[in-house]
Amino acid sequence: SQKIEQNSEALNIQEGKTATLTCNYTNYSPAYLQWYRQDPGRGPVFLLLIRENEKEKRKERLKVTFDTTLKQSLFHITASQPADSATYLCALEGHYQLIWGAGTKLIIKP
Amino acid sequence: GAVVSQHPSRVICKSGTSVKIECRSLDFQATTMFWYRQFPKKSLMLMATSNEGSKATYEQGVEKDKFLINHASLTLSTLTVTSAHPEDSSFYICSARELGGLETQYFGPGTRLLVL
Repeated sequence: SQKIEQNSEALNIQEGKTATLTCNYTNYSPAYLQWYRQDPGRGPVFLLLIRENEKEKRKERLKVTFDTTLKQSLFHITASQPADSATYLCALEGHYQLIWGAGTKLIIKP
Repeated sequence: GAVVSQHPSRVICKSGTSVKIECRSLDFQATTMFWYRQFPKKSLMLMATSNEGSKATYEQGVEKDKFLINHASLTLSTLTVTSAHPEDSSFYICSARELGGLETQYFGPGTRLLVL
């Protein structure tokens, strides 16, 4: 079955630097992959979707890449700010539902 | 656009009582709504998929008689935790998928349930 691996350890980044989060999957390459942001005690918020035929997608300071050979997606936040601190979840298209990673906590230090 | 609300945001109840959680899509129609449960620092766990006008599809290990789901309209789904016990204490989150949409889910803010 499909499994998603996200770094369970918190990622500490200095303000202004680029934060890079990793999402690895183990089985079939999904038709699309999504990234969400979740703040403590809140529901996830959709950020970006990238399809299997897209190598890269950008939205303001966010960039997502999708490498089906490596079975990996990278999520970048450039010029990071303390307000970017949150848990970021990766989700893959499954059979009529999303398969979720456990998320990586990102901490941007001023 | 694409706002989903949940009510209540937080509830404390006594063991043995039932609790109803509402999930509403405010500015779009949702043929499908999903109910998740999340434990601290853990991934979202899908409990059931709710389709308007039909019975919900429950994930393996989720008791359908304990977690009653009703999706009576294109904008409202409810989850009722019956005869709640302390082990049911958790963060419950709903999400909705737009009519005709296949991909993105829009999440509610979640409901924190504490059963004493």
